[in-house]
Amino acid sequence: GQQVMQIPQYQHVQEGEDFTTYCNSSTTLSNIQWYKQRPGGHPVFLIQLVKSGEVKKQKRLTFQFGEAKKNSSLHITATQTTDVGTYFCASSGSARQLTFGSGTQLTVLP
Amino acid sequence: NAGVTQTPKFQVLKTGQSMTLQCAQDMNHEYMSWYRQDPGMGLRLIHYSVGAGITDQGEVPNGYNVSRSTTEDFPLRLLSAAPSQTSVYFCASRKTKETQYFGPGTRLLVL
Repeated sequence: GQQVMQIPQYQHVQEGEDFTTYCNSSTTLSNIQWYKQRPGGHPVFLIQLVKSGEVKKQKRLTFQFGEAKKNSSLHITATQTTDVGTYFCASSGSARQLTFGSGTQLTVLP
Repeated sequence: NAGVTQTPKFQVLKTGQSMTLQCAQDMNHEYMSWYRQDPGMGLRLIHYSVGAGITDQGEVPNGYNVSRSTTEDFPLRLLSAAPSQTSVYFCASRKTKETQYFGPGTRLLVL
């Protein structure tokens, strides 16, 4: 599988502040997927990016895939307490294995 | 559709015991995988399967066996449990490069 590094590992923000997590690879990624895992729950698919430079939005969430397809980011505008959880990026280079980043654990302080 | 189901939800084992974690999906997905999740380690792939009768090792396969006799089922066997296998185990399924669906997880404690 394709290796992806994710930063930061932890992020604490005040409610209303913005949040960004980054996913980086030393090799070109064929695609990037993002998942959210609520505390005590299981990962849930958010989105998939495939094209170079692709940007997708889901309400307050903005997902980007770098021009070189080696990095991706997830940005949350004006965080809410419902955004709490761990966000993972993942990539399936050969389509056989889906490799996950180590995740960013987001805490939102009310 | 029930999606991906896992049993049991919780399990306590003694060192050296064996057990099987069950996983089933009713979405006719070709790909199924087992991950373990440990604090700060993200999701690490144990074994995966791209179809009935085909399995392969992931990142951390030692101490685990799998089989895929049907499209629906993908059990994970712990041969001789060790405290290092204390973790949360997730089964997942998908079609090729599409969305991966996770089961609710099995929390395993090995004493």
